[in-house]
Amino acid sequence: DSGVTQTPKHLITATGQRVTLRCSPRSGDLSVYWYQQSLDQGLQFLIQYYNGEERAKGNILERFSAQQFPDLHSELNLSSLELGDSALYFCASSVEGLGDSPLHFGNGTRLTVT
Amino acid sequence: QQPVQSPQAVILREGEDAVINCSSSKALYSVHWYRQKHGEAPVFLMILLKGGEQKGHDKISASFNEKKQQSSLYLTASQLSYSGTYFCGTEFMSSGAGSYQLTFGKGTKLSVIP
Repeated sequence: DSGVTQTPKHLITATGQRVTLRCSPRSGDLSVYWYQQSLDQGLQFLIQYYNGEERAKGNILERFSAQQFPDLHSELNLSSLELGDSALYFCASSVEGLGDSPLHFGNGTRLTVT
Repeated sequence: QQPVQSPQAVILREGEDAVINCSSSKALYSVHWYRQKHGEAPVFLMILLKGGEQKGHDKISASFNEKKQQSSLYLTASQLSYSGTYFCGTEFMSSGAGSYQLTFGKGTKLSVIP
């Protein structure tokens, strides 16, 4: 158990809908990262927050947004969902920013868009 | 820019050795290695920082060649439990420090058979 909690585990929704994925980092970790994993794209970096502030942004679509709250949990909001958004979404946390801080991954949220 | 991993897949018999390579076209600050078993979250193996070093624990070790911007993961005397997909993650240099963005390669699928 990595100590990172993601909810829900599974999510099935229709195209055009909006969903929210939630992540609670390990106790003491200040950084939260979001990744999207699909079969043909591997682990795609979406966004990183450190202590409530956005620190790095990857290939995150404009339809996607995220935030990290004062209690350090984070939410990833996906809107106007398309079939291609179906994927496994991982949250990871680390003590600080990368460098020599390993990422600890949650078990992921599997999103299916029908 | 996504690092390039090779080989894409490898099949080993128990007790055999393997090397997985990871190369980048950009200057790296750190290289991370993770292993993901089917249906599970990626699990941290080790981190190597710029400066060129080698790390290891048990029968898994890694090296980082800063001049070539390459890292290699060495698995010796493989066990059935080593099966999974291995990902390298690279953090680029940015203004002399890390970029806080970890970009993963597409992974190397390792299968260990009896």
